[in-house]
Amino acid sequence: QITLKESGPTLVKPTQTLTLTCTFSGFSLSTSGVGVGWIRQPPGKALEWLALICWDDDKRYNPSLKSRLTLTKDTSKNHVVLTMTNMDPVDTATYYCAHRVGRSTSCYDYWGQGTLVTVSS
Amino acid sequence: EIVLTQSPGTLSFSPGERADLSCRASQSVSSYLAWYQQKPGQAPRLLIYGASSRATGIPDRFSGSGSGTDFALTISRLEPEDSAVYYCQQYGSSPLTFGQGTKVEIK
Repeated sequence: QITLKESGPTLVKPTQTLTLTCTFSGFSLSTSGVGVGWIRQPPGKALEWLALICWDDDKRYNPSLKSRLTLTKDTSKNHVVLTMTNMDPVDTATYYCAHRVGRSTSCYDYWGQGTLVTVSS
Repeated sequence: EIVLTQSPGTLSFSPGERADLSCRASQSVSSYLAWYQQKPGQAPRLLIYGASSRATGIPDRFSGSGSGTDFALTISRLEPEDSAVYYCQQYGSSPLTFGQGTKVEIK
């Protein structure tokens, strides 16, 4: 059974760096083809894809946020960490991590419950 | 970046009716399109991938069609539990993008 769960601060100040951890079970990020993505959703708005990290440490970022995002993985701990620098109130959103369906199928079949991050002074 | 346009924004139905939701891409995504259902306070749930393949555990009341730039999600025999926002997502080109969603109300 695949599960994912996001953790991190619920409140960050403008200009601070956000660090979110995705802890997962039921699959391994050392298995060929496996990927974990991050998607966010501002309150009442649509979903926005942020980034993807794959089993071979290939990383993909949304160009609109690329300069602010960093993804790392710890295969032994089944963790993926997303950092986003220079946070702004417009970054207030629920942040989800999710399991990618497959190497050539970049949609997401298992999602974490999401974590709401508020950016405010 | 490929823009996905979903229309209309909100649809209202009675139980047992059929819903046809539209998703149009600003350029071809071949069949690299997925549909999700999202209920309030919940994470999205994958319904359809590859434009027409149902994800694991999804009832056959849900079906997807289309290719290129025009796609549809059909929900036959609507049930009250189908009230939700439905999003399309393309993965034919990076960055992945989502539509703005269609809200389905069942009255």
